[in-house]
Order: sequence, then structure tokens, then C-alpha cells
Amino acid sequence: GAGVSQSPRYKVAKRGQDVALRCDPISGHVSLFWYQQALGQGPEFLTYFQNEAQLDKSGLPSDRFFAERPEGSVSTLKIQRTQQEDSAVYLCASSLSGGPYTGELFFGEGSRLTVL
Amino acid sequence: TQLLEQSPQFLSIQEGENLTVYCNSSSVFSSLQWYRQEPGEGPVLLVTVVTGGEVKKLKRLTFQFGDARKDSSLHITAAQPGDTGLYLCAGGGGSQGNLIFGKGTKLSVKP
Repeated sequence: GAGVSQSPRYKVAKRGQDVALRCDPISGHVSLFWYQQALGQGPEFLTYFQNEAQLDKSGLPSDRFFAERPEGSVSTLKIQRTQQEDSAVYLCASSLSGGPYTGELFFGEGSRLTVL
Repeated sequence: TQLLEQSPQFLSIQEGENLTVYCNSSSVFSSLQWYRQEPGEGPVLLVTVVTGGEVKKLKRLTFQFGDARKDSSLHITAAQPGDTGLYLCAGGGGSQGNLIFGKGTKLSVKP
């Protein structure tokens, strides 16, 4: 497809399990962003890649969160030892622009994580 | 920590009414974007404003960036049920260096 694709769309995990969320950005987009959106809230910044380089990871809430984009295309957000407070929708966005805020962000539909 | 405060948090109106939603901050931004998000989907960009005092129109939607680039407003004329959704403002180029979002205004337009 032509848009940003995220998988899985829904994930239920038991507390303590590890999860991996995948993002396929729009082909050719330089920048890739991960946001966390809690119910009824706006998206909160987690991390930002420019090609394969992770330029900003200041929003990652703890060292249980890890993101990578090894070939500058597909990205994976990994959460280790999930906790109930990790329950949220995880949004991936890509942008043609190389800057952290200068271009239009194209969002995927999100991965909804529920931790029991 | 920079904050973008949006008001009102919820708005329920009848079809045909006009409305204005606000996005305010104590910080200066280089640019401000407005997105609309529907349930189960990601946000979709409506507009980007970059110049203080700038006004942009998109059909029935009018966006304004404050002179000091700290605030913005979105005005919708003759709202329609299709305008229903979560309206998010996002500021870029502030001290945090990335795009930060407000909590949004949830708009419901009833036929």
C-alpha cells in the first residue's frame, strides 16, 4: 500500500511479556517517528529516526523501551517486561523531510497494546 | 517541559453551527500544525502555519497563528457531521526539538 503500515493492529500481552511492534513507512521517507497515545489524550513523542540513525530517544519512558530502524526503512518498537501502564496505542509516522518537525507527518493506524 | 493546551476539551454542537477551538502555549514555536483524528485511525494533517499572524483557509476551516507564534485557533463555519473527530494541534521547533502534540479537542457534530 501507499501509506504507513503498522502491525499488529491489536496486541494483548500478559504483564511481564515482551512485545514487538512493526512499522513500514512510506517508501522514500527519511524521517520516522514513534508516538504513544493513551486513551483520550494526544500523541506523546517517543523517538525519532533520520534514515537508520536514532537522533532523539528522549521520549522513551524507560529502558524497557527500545526502537530500531537498521536499514533506514522498517522500524520496530520493542517493549520488554510489559507493565499495565504501557497499555496505549502506539503510532508510527513517517515524513519525507529530514527534520524532526518541518514536514507533514503521515501516520499509520496504530498498534493498540493492552497489558493484562 | 513545553505544553500545548487545547480548549475546549470536548465540544458537542448541532449541524450548521460555527465553532472555534484554541491551542495555547507559553513557548514560541517555529511552526504549528493542525491534525484531525478519527477513531481507530492515525491523525491526518490539515494545515501547517509558520508565520506569526498567518491565516490559512481550507474550505470551511480557518486557521490562525498568533502574532507571537505561541498560540493558534481553528474556526469551523457551518459545521457538518463529517467534521466530527479529535482535533490536535502540534508545535514544532520549540526547545524540545521535535513535534509535540496537545491533548486535543473532541468535536461531535450532530445532524
